[in-house]
This record gives sequence, C-alpha cells and structure tokens, in this order.
Amino acid sequence: KQEVTQIPAALSVPEGENLVLNCSFTDSAIYNLQWFRQDPGKGLTSLLLIQSSQREQTSGRLNASLDKSSGRSTLYIAASQPGDSATYLCAVKGGNNRKLIWGLGTSLGVNP
Amino acid sequence: SAVISQKPSRDICQRGTSLTIQCQVDSQVTMMFWYRQQPGQSLTLIATANQGSEATYESGFVIDKFPISRPNLTFSTLTVSNMSPEDSSIYLCSVEKGQETQYFGPGTRLLVL
Repeated sequence: KQEVTQIPAALSVPEGENLVLNCSFTDSAIYNLQWFRQDPGKGLTSLLLIQSSQREQTSGRLNASLDKSSGRSTLYIAASQPGDSATYLCAVKGGNNRKLIWGLGTSLGVNP
Repeated sequence: SAVISQKPSRDICQRGTSLTIQCQVDSQVTMMFWYRQQPGQSLTLIATANQGSEATYESGFVIDKFPISRPNLTFSTLTVSNMSPEDSSIYLCSVEKGQETQYFGPGTRLLVL
C-alpha cells in the first residue's frame, strides 16, 4: 500500500531564503507525482507535475525533482517571498490503479 | 486548464440533516472526483463521478451516505446525508485535464453541530 510522507510538517523562514520541501513514498511503481499548494478558502493549485520517466520539472522559482529508486521528491523554492506562504502538498499517482495518494503537507510561512 | 466553482463555500448544519454540494467546471470533462479533507488528515478520495453512469466509490464510502449526481459533462453534485459531527470536513471537487494535471475547486467547508 502506497504511503506518502512529507517532512517537515511546518517550516518558517525569513524572506529571501532558498528552501527545500521533502516528499517520500513507499512504492516506487508510480505513474507521476504532483506538487500542489493549498491556500485557505482557495482550494488546491497544481504547481508541478513530474512523470515517472522524468527527473525534474521547473516553473519559475520552483524546481521539483523525482528519484523513483529512493522514493523521494523534493520541491525547491528559490528566493522565497511572503506570498509563498501556504501549505504544500505532494501527491503520487499509482502505476496500477492511477489513484492519487496524498501526503499531509508542509505548512510554509515566509516572514517579511 | 480548468476553472472549477463550488457551492456553497461553507455551511453549518445540524446533525441528521443533509447537504448537497454543487461543482461546476468551465469545460467538458469525462471524470470528476470528490475528495474529503478532514482536519489534520490528508485528502481522501470519496468517489469518481462519470457522466451517464453510476459513481465509483472508494473503500469506506457508500452511495447511501454520499449520493452523487452527474447530469452532464460540466456539473456534479455530492450530497452528505444524515450528517454527524464526524462529517465536518472540507469537501473538494476535482477534474483531470491535459497531461493528467489535477485541478481543484475552492472547496466547501462543512461544520456539523
């Protein structure tokens, strides 16, 4: 059974810092992995999607990596801004049943 | 991309009553998904709603408790029936488009007293 873990559960950094959020999964037979951000009252927004054959994806200040063999993904946020404050969720789509399995998220606070 | 709206955005309900949540998408989609996010827990898939057929429910969720309608390719409803305080949660509607990117509605915050 696939399990997704995100570390840390919460993180507070000063504005301008580079930071890394971690996601680990127990079953390496995945179809893809997605990173989302969740803002209160605004649902979830897809940030990056990495297919199982890819090793990383980039969008602006965000870079997500995927290492299937070790069951890990990282989300790197460069030059953090207060607007980056949100909960970041990692979700893995299984290779067989194609269902999304979710982590609990990392709550990020960027202080001005 | 997809723009999804949900109604209501939040509600406070009494135990034993039912609430119907609406989900509207700005484009036609084959499958719509309903999730629950309980406090301190990860998102859990309730069911997948296909147009023209009955919804497919995940383990632990049943049609009598969470009836779903899917009358067309842009709209779905989820009803939370005979509510109890344990049903207090955020309910999220979602669709999949493009390279299987998942898009979500803003969610419905439900509090059952």
